[in-house]
Amino acid sequence: AQTVTQSQPEMSVQEAETVTLSCTYDTSENNYYLFWYKQPPSRQMILVIRQEAYKQQNATENRFSVNFQKAAKSFSLKISDSQLGDTAMYFCAFTEASYQGGKLIFGQGTELSVKP
Amino acid sequence: EPEVTQTPSHQVTQMGQEVILRCVPISNHLYFYWYRQILGQKVEFLVSFYNNEISEKSEIFDDQFSVERPDGSNFTLKIRSTKLEDSAMYFCASSERDFTGNTIYFGEGSWLTVV
Repeated sequence: AQTVTQSQPEMSVQEAETVTLSCTYDTSENNYYLFWYKQPPSRQMILVIRQEAYKQQNATENRFSVNFQKAAKSFSLKISDSQLGDTAMYFCAFTEASYQGGKLIFGQGTELSVKP
Repeated sequence: EPEVTQTPSHQVTQMGQEVILRCVPISNHLYFYWYRQILGQKVEFLVSFYNNEISEKSEIFDDQFSVERPDGSNFTLKIRSTKLEDSAMYFCASSERDFTGNTIYFGEGSWLTVV
């Protein structure tokens, strides 16, 4: 069974600095998708970034980028120039590419606090 | 930007009562989902729905749960006889086509408290 592990329950960073959130996953599949979702205090789940496993290039969305290490089954999120609005719970999620049922498997989450 | 909307945002119900949570997915989306998040825990998949039938369901989605798309816009989750352990945030989500290569968009959630 696929699992997603986020080993950092809480992290904090000073405004304008860079922070990296860790995620590891376990699967026997070769093709899959990985995601980072942000959940601010409002509790809405907001997609931050997506990575296709068949793409070697790391995904980037403005200040957010990932370090995807397929062999190590690692998918970390880097937030550059952290802003107060980045304060949220961040979830790493996985799904098989061959699976069409929409079943995302989530990690436990990392609560990020950006301090002024 | 189109979004998934959910009602109610918060509902308190007595144990044993039926609850219906409503969702309006993004208009051109064809795949619909329910997830739940018990306070302090992971987000968990409940069910996916396509072409008026369930595509996949988790072991959480037992006979007490049902989903329906009663018209062209709404997607509902019904819990027939609520239990204390059903207290959670319930997220509706949708995607444009089958999930492969497509992004799931989540609503803001419905917070259910069973007392």
